[in-house]
Amino acid sequence: AQSVTQPDIHITVSEGASLELRCNYSYGATPYLFWYVQSPGQGLQLLLKYFSGDTLVQGIKGFEAEFKRSQSSFNLRKPSVHWSDAAEYFCAVGPERGGGNKLTFGTGTQLKVEL
Amino acid sequence: DAGVTQSPTHLIKTRGQQVTLRCSPKSGHDTVSWYQQALGQGPQFIFQYYEEEERQRGNFPDRFSGHQFPNYSSELNVNALLLGDSALYLCASSLWGVSGANVLTFGAGSRLTVL
Repeated sequence: AQSVTQPDIHITVSEGASLELRCNYSYGATPYLFWYVQSPGQGLQLLLKYFSGDTLVQGIKGFEAEFKRSQSSFNLRKPSVHWSDAAEYFCAVGPERGGGNKLTFGTGTQLKVEL
Repeated sequence: DAGVTQSPTHLIKTRGQQVTLRCSPKSGHDTVSWYQQALGQGPQFIFQYYEEEERQRGNFPDRFSGHQFPNYSSELNVNALLLGDSALYLCASSLWGVSGANVLTFGAGSRLTVL
């Protein structure tokens, strides 16, 4: 069964510092991978996705993520964090072919940004 | 362009009662999925509807049921509510069968509290 692990429950960074959120997945084949962000009282907003091809994917709000098959990882990065980035971040893995929409999410990483 | 809309945004029920949550998908989408997000957890897949039929189901009891209407909107019903059903219920829409594009658009959720 597919699974996602986000080892860091909470992370605190200073505004302007770089950020890396970790995500490890377990999946039998090449997965579809996603990062979502959730602000308080809000639903989930897609930051970026990986389906195939270039292993470094760019997303919205200056985020990027790198797919590393050998490490079963899909870490999210941002070179300079803004105070508005404070939110909860979820990594998710999805099915390989169209039709099914079941995503398996990690437990999330809560990001706090210090001014 | 309206995104995914859910109602109600908040509701309080007592144990043993029944609840119905509603979802209108993003314009152009034909598939609706429901997720349960307990406090401090990632979203968990409940089920998915396409062409008014349940297509996939997660590990949820039969107390959780759903429906999809011809206009693609959907309802989630939960019977015999338990305290553990307290959670944020997220609706997500997408297009069925679009290979490599299982990108879900999430609503803001319905916050259910069971007392």
